[in-house]
Amino acid sequence: GAVVSQHPSRVICKSGTSVKIECRSLDFQATTMFWYRQFPKQSLMLMATSNEGSKATYEQGVEKDKFLINHASLTLSTLTVTSAHPEDSSFYICSAPTGGRAYGYTFGSGTRLTVV
Amino acid sequence: AQSVSQHNHHVILSEAASLELGCNYSYGGTVNLFWYVQYPGQHLQLLLKYFSGDPLVKGIKGFEAEFIKSKFSFNLRKPSVQWSDTAEYFCAVGGANNLFFGTGTRLTVIP
Repeated sequence: GAVVSQHPSRVICKSGTSVKIECRSLDFQATTMFWYRQFPKQSLMLMATSNEGSKATYEQGVEKDKFLINHASLTLSTLTVTSAHPEDSSFYICSAPTGGRAYGYTFGSGTRLTVV
Repeated sequence: AQSVSQHNHHVILSEAASLELGCNYSYGGTVNLFWYVQYPGQHLQLLLKYFSGDPLVKGIKGFEAEFIKSKFSFNLRKPSVQWSDTAEYFCAVGGANNLFFGTGTRLTVIP
């Protein structure tokens, strides 16, 4: 079945550095990718929606200059957390419509980001 | 291994019928449980969640789920579905550092 490969699964970085998270669609083309984050004891929150070849759409309250999303190809979408701070520590997960069903979706395995 | 199973791939119901979607999990440690819904063309929305306490959890739009620890289950229920409930439903299980999704169940409600 359709798989989204997300890397890295865990990353620890220092404050002020940038971290890139990749989501690759395997065996299918992901024209759209949803990026979510989850704080402890809370549900997923949509951060942004990326579309191949166009600018991402960010949800209200999400800083587009801090969370850079690039969707340059039909199989790769990236989220870069720039100038990371401890409050950016969270669980990030991507999701793409698989296209095989009318509205089937598949999820990446998630990335646990810890900023120290 | 940690996993989530949603055995129903596609469920078709008539309006006013009762709904139960199965979710079984395999997870070590303290477990947090979620049900999400995704309407066509939209992103995930949280229906309900369980962290601790009363194992019968009530969510939005008349949905509820029951955590049965002995069965490793967290089935979603609704006594009377509406056409607007047509969507994809995802069960998710996780702890502090991870989150695992089931493959989803498509619900089609026929008017």
